[in-house]
Amino acid sequence: SYELTQPPSVSVSPGQTARITCSGDALPKKYAYWYQQKSGQAPVLVIYEDNKRPSGIPERFSGSSSGTMATLTISGAQVEDEADYYCYSTDSSGTHGLFGGGTKLTVL
Amino acid sequence: QLQLQQSGPGLAKPSETLSLTCTVSGGSISGSRYYWGWIRQPPGKGLEWIGSIYYTGSTYYNPSLKSRVTISVDTSKNQFSLNLTSVTAADTAVYYCGWFGELLYPLGWGQGTLVTVSS
Repeated sequence: SYELTQPPSVSVSPGQTARITCSGDALPKKYAYWYQQKSGQAPVLVIYEDNKRPSGIPERFSGSSSGTMATLTISGAQVEDEADYYCYSTDSSGTHGLFGGGTKLTVL
Repeated sequence: QLQLQQSGPGLAKPSETLSLTCTVSGGSISGSRYYWGWIRQPPGKGLEWIGSIYYTGSTYYNPSLKSRVTISVDTSKNQFSLNLTSVTAADTAVYYCGWFGELLYPLGWGQGTLVTVSS
């Protein structure tokens, strides 16, 4: 079955750049989406269609995709960015959605 | 601004059917371009897409759950529902209803419902 693979954890100091990757065989043809989930809260969409930012999401959040890997970049990470981050995409048919396993971002 | 209100029991017995309903306000299920669907999150674990439906009734299901899942829509009530049959403890999770973009990506969610499967 199709999978999206993320590192379990990423750690950076405040002000540094955090990069979270997501790999999947269908990513060259399918968009990646990124969600932030803080403890006890519902997920929030932070990047859609590989690199677009919804209104209200800080400019320090950006996305990119190349080949089978999509990347969420947080430039100048802040303490309030500590959260779990999930990538999301669909399989090659475009009819089944799936999440990556999630990455816990620590900023300290 | 779309708002989704979830309803349904927070407890289900093993082997029985889990049923949840999501009522949409601030927009019409049949009048929008959105898809509607469900995701879940077991305690301490990651997110899982369950499935999505368009107001016409076209459905898309997670292959790992397809044999047990039915998502339906009632446009007259502006609601959509989830039925998950033959539940086990592994189905214990927070269930979120949500609206999805045309490419089946989640855009927003209801408040979430913790459903515990236990006798």
